[in-house]
Amino acid sequence: DTGVSQDPRHKITKRGQNVTFRCDPISEHNRLYWYRQTLGQGPEFLTYFQNEAQLEKSRLLSDRFSAERPKGSFSTLEIQRTEQGDSAMYLCASSPGTARQGYTFGSGTRLTVV
Amino acid sequence: GQNIDQPTEMTATEGAIVQINCTYQTSGFNGLFWYQQHAGEAPTFLSYNVLDGLEEKGRFSSFLSRSKGYSYLLLKELQMKDSASYLCAPTFSGNTGKLIFGQGTTLQVKP
Repeated sequence: DTGVSQDPRHKITKRGQNVTFRCDPISEHNRLYWYRQTLGQGPEFLTYFQNEAQLEKSRLLSDRFSAERPKGSFSTLEIQRTEQGDSAMYLCASSPGTARQGYTFGSGTRLTVV
Repeated sequence: GQNIDQPTEMTATEGAIVQINCTYQTSGFNGLFWYQQHAGEAPTFLSYNVLDGLEEKGRFSSFLSRSKGYSYLLLKELQMKDSASYLCAPTFSGNTGKLIFGQGTTLQVKP
């Protein structure tokens, strides 16, 4: 297992377009998190899955954002009708559920909306 | 919010020791993570404290005081590669285990 993978690494899109990002967590990790990070700030929590169930969504996640984890493995994050304010690094993290083992982050998808 | 507070920037000299402080609200607190993040890269796990006291791991140590809502990360024998952002992330009960990050402390190590 090579860790948490995210695809694509970079995405440039025009305002108003839809984009979808993918995250492949560490295979034995049942918890998956999405975060958004802008320059000079720490990551902000967006949403959380335990297996295939989406158990929490941040108020930051407007109705233009949707996330799925259909079989409890990989996850997708879709942003509809992108806005310039959506430009950020989108990070995925997975965890086995034992706090001391920590969370493993992917390298992120950098979104630029022009 | 959880009122996580850490300094925005710090500068230190190669070979020196630096302490990065973090304060947070104590209500519902479970444990606290420290992560390192180099520019343009993913955060990487440094430490997790749940009990009071100091935990040492090589050149890095992390301290926690649950009653004071205070933690610090201590970096010894600083190297140029330690220039990065250091993120304090407490966890709280009932929040699905998600990490709530502070804004991060950008550490610049100078020769």
